[in-house]
Amino acid sequence: DAGITQSPRHKVTETGTPVTLRCHQTENHRYMYWYRQDPGHGLRLIHYSYGVKDTDKGEVSDGYSVSRSKTEDFLLTLESATSSQTSVYFCAISKDTSSYNEQFFGPGTRLTVL
Amino acid sequence: AQSVTQLGSHVSVSEGALVLLRCNYSSSVPPYLFWYVQYPNQGLQLLLKYTTGATLVKGINGFEAEFKKSETSFHLTKPSAHMSDAAEYFCAVSDQGAGNNRKLIWGLGTSLAVNP
Repeated sequence: DAGITQSPRHKVTETGTPVTLRCHQTENHRYMYWYRQDPGHGLRLIHYSYGVKDTDKGEVSDGYSVSRSKTEDFLLTLESATSSQTSVYFCAISKDTSSYNEQFFGPGTRLTVL
Repeated sequence: AQSVTQLGSHVSVSEGALVLLRCNYSSSVPPYLFWYVQYPNQGLQLLLKYTTGATLVKGINGFEAEFKKSETSFHLTKPSAHMSDAAEYFCAVSDQGAGNNRKLIWGLGTSLAVNP
């Protein structure tokens, strides 16, 4: 839904290396979100965006940064990956046409930090 | 602050049995409520939502949920479980806090197992 894609879908990296995950949408909605999903913790919001160059922190933003230079793309960067950032990362969007704030999700990126 | 509690991190039912997944929320304003389903190795998919009006909401795959304001609950049910219903289910409430962040507050999820 909303043509949400994430890349890469799987990545293995080493501690201390930078990693960038990409979320792309085809419908140009303003609101985009990055979550991480871990067993026992459900979904936790990392960062979100409400327009080009407009971003804000979520509940677990330490160690992560984001950028949004185009409406359709929302990038999540781990500046120096740590093993605690091994997780499944999901991007989501909230449609401008909806008043109810439901979110639609991408397929996820499974990141392993060794 | 708003919050969502899902009672039972794991629920197991037999095929054909009733499915009941519990969700309670706290909100100081009329909430928008959602149930999502996540099949293995996939993203989350919207199952159903309550916004206003009728308190019994029907969703995809035969699921429904009833909004009970007096009980601050939004439990998910399905009369007869199918093997394909085995998945993780998440309840969420729309954050009505200050600002226009359109955030959702999430429960921790309930893993549903369906036994043959």
